[in-house]
Amino acid sequence: GAVVSQHPSWVICKSGTSVKIECRSLDFQATTMFWYRQFPKQSLMLMATSNEGSKATYEQGVEKDKFLINHASLTLSTLTVTSAHPEDSSFYICSGSSGRLPYNEQFFGPGTRLTVL
Amino acid sequence: DQQVKQNSPSLSVQEGRISILNCDYTNSMFDYFLWYKKYPAEGPTFLISISSIKDKNEDGRFTVFLNKSAKHLSLHIVPSQPGDSAVYFCAASAGGSEKLVFGKGTKLTVNP
Repeated sequence: GAVVSQHPSWVICKSGTSVKIECRSLDFQATTMFWYRQFPKQSLMLMATSNEGSKATYEQGVEKDKFLINHASLTLSTLTVTSAHPEDSSFYICSGSSGRLPYNEQFFGPGTRLTVL
Repeated sequence: DQQVKQNSPSLSVQEGRISILNCDYTNSMFDYFLWYKKYPAEGPTFLISISSIKDKNEDGRFTVFLNKSAKHLSLHIVPSQPGDSAVYFCAASAGGSEKLVFGKGTKLTVNP
């Protein structure tokens, strides 16, 4: 199957700082990338959808100025958590889709554990 | 409002027996369903999917059944193996959209 990597796998930061998470599709071109967050014992909640070269589409309730998403190429998307606070601590997962409908398959990265002190 | 529900947070079965994981949905526009398997601190991996035009899809030990009238699907794993122990997520999409809506997951434990 297709491989998606994320970096870093975990990060600890101080409140008020910004953190950037990278998501790369290693062996396919991801026309669309998705960013999710997962709280303990909860489902994956979609935060935003991004298409290469265009602005991300954010889900209701997700602050676009706080969670900056850049999808600069078909293999790289970044999520920047700006002015992070303890409530932003979560498991962030990205996924990529090659756009081969109707299978709608997404290939997920291993996730990034963010802890804000 | 949860559109995809996995009402059993956990399931424990003996090795060699059948595991049945259930998923219910409320949105009648959903027409494609997927099951993902997730290990701790890892991203989900795709397992099997089914389109709403089918009621069954089989891949090796994994079979997914879809009952559209009941808005219910289930994943059967037989025979279950200890390596199947993981959290299983049910996901759905509508109208060819790439957006997936996930359930909360069911933690499966297969005991040797």
